[in-house]
Amino acid sequence: GENVEQHPSTLSVQEGDSAVIKCTYSDSASNYFPWYKQELGKRPQLIIDIRSNVGEKKDQRIAVTLNKTAKHFSLHITETQPEDSAVYFCAASRGANSGGSNYKLTFGKGTLLTVNP
Amino acid sequence: EPEVTQTPSHQVTQMGQEVILRCVPISNHLYFYWYRQILGQKVEFLVSFYNNEISEKSEIFDDQFSVERPDGSNFTLKIRSTKLEDSAMYFCASRSDRQETQYFGPGTRLLVL
Repeated sequence: GENVEQHPSTLSVQEGDSAVIKCTYSDSASNYFPWYKQELGKRPQLIIDIRSNVGEKKDQRIAVTLNKTAKHFSLHITETQPEDSAVYFCAASRGANSGGSNYKLTFGKGTLLTVNP
Repeated sequence: EPEVTQTPSHQVTQMGQEVILRCVPISNHLYFYWYRQILGQKVEFLVSFYNNEISEKSEIFDDQFSVERPDGSNFTLKIRSTKLEDSAMYFCASRSDRQETQYFGPGTRLLVL
């Protein structure tokens, strides 16, 4: 089955700096890669996702890059703010075009991001 | 904006007791999921459900677990005889047939004593 590795497990940055979180996956048939933000005691919230037919996607201060050959994808947050502090999870899944229609998510272990004011 | 809801938010039970966790997915969604998150660990897939049947389940989802959609709105996870290691946050998620995005509920924190 799919295995997703995520690094680092903790990341501390100064407000205004950039933060980068990296994930690797093992199943070459995975084709959908969402990133979720989870604040303490709250539900995971989707912040950005990318599909395997795209190498990069950007949404304001957040961007995700995907390298299918190397099977890794990364989350980039620029101009970090204290409210960006949370646990970030990457995930991978197979979709309808990849031998599965289920889209079950396999998550990484999470990165605790702390943005210091 | 519609959200997935879950009840109860917290449940404490004795080992060996049955628990039922309830979820109300977003109304036009057709795919439903249960995940669990043991404290401090990653979110793990338990089961997916579509068209009134299980479409996939993980090795965690053994005979002690079952899911049901008893009516048009609820989606439940039952644990027949809880064990200490079932203590975790249980998240329900749903998605429509038009996109991959799964929307998560707020979770039920289950504590087995």
